[in-house]
Amino acid sequence: AQSVTQPDIHITVSEGASLELRCNYSYGATPYLFWYVQSPGQGLQLLLKYFSGDTLVQGIKGFEAEFKRSQSSFNLRKPSVHWSDAAEYFCAVGTSGNTPLVFGKGTRLSVIA
Amino acid sequence: SQTIHQWPATLVQPVGSPLSLECTVEGTSNPNLYWYRQAAGRGLQLLFYSIGIDQISSEVPQNLSASRPQDRQFILSSKKLLLSDSGFYLCAWSVAGGTGELFFGEGSRLTVL
Repeated sequence: AQSVTQPDIHITVSEGASLELRCNYSYGATPYLFWYVQSPGQGLQLLLKYFSGDTLVQGIKGFEAEFKRSQSSFNLRKPSVHWSDAAEYFCAVGTSGNTPLVFGKGTRLSVIA
Repeated sequence: SQTIHQWPATLVQPVGSPLSLECTVEGTSNPNLYWYRQAAGRGLQLLFYSIGIDQISSEVPQNLSASRPQDRQFILSSKKLLLSDSGFYLCAWSVAGGTGELFFGEGSRLTVL
């Protein structure tokens, strides 16, 4: 069975600084990988996804993520954080078929001036 | 385009009272449907998922139940709420047999007093 680890529960960054959120997965084959963002009291919104091909994927709001098979990682990055990026971020792994996605426990991002 | 509607957005209920949360998807057919719960400060917990009418899988034993009376309608119910049922409930859908990519509703905040 697949699993996802987000090692950082809470990260605080200064506005304008770069950001990297870590995600490690466990799955025998090439997985489908996702990053979602959740603002307080809202549903989850898809930031980006990786299925195959180019290992660097671009998403919405200036985010990108890189799939590294050798490290079983799919870290999320943004070169310059904005205050509006403060939210909860979830990494998820999926397989083909009807098996539900497996989510990490999330990383809460705080942005300070 | 596809949309997902979830209601009510907010609910305050006494302990022992019944519960009904509804979710409807539009613009697609035969979707996979899901109910997740987020307790305060915790990650996403998959409660139920359905790959078709009369095909509902329960992930966690509890006093909640789910039903799918129509192809694109998913209902979360309880006969008697517990304090521990308080939380943020999210409905989601995905394409049957696809990558598992989830599309979330806006959520329902349940407070049991």
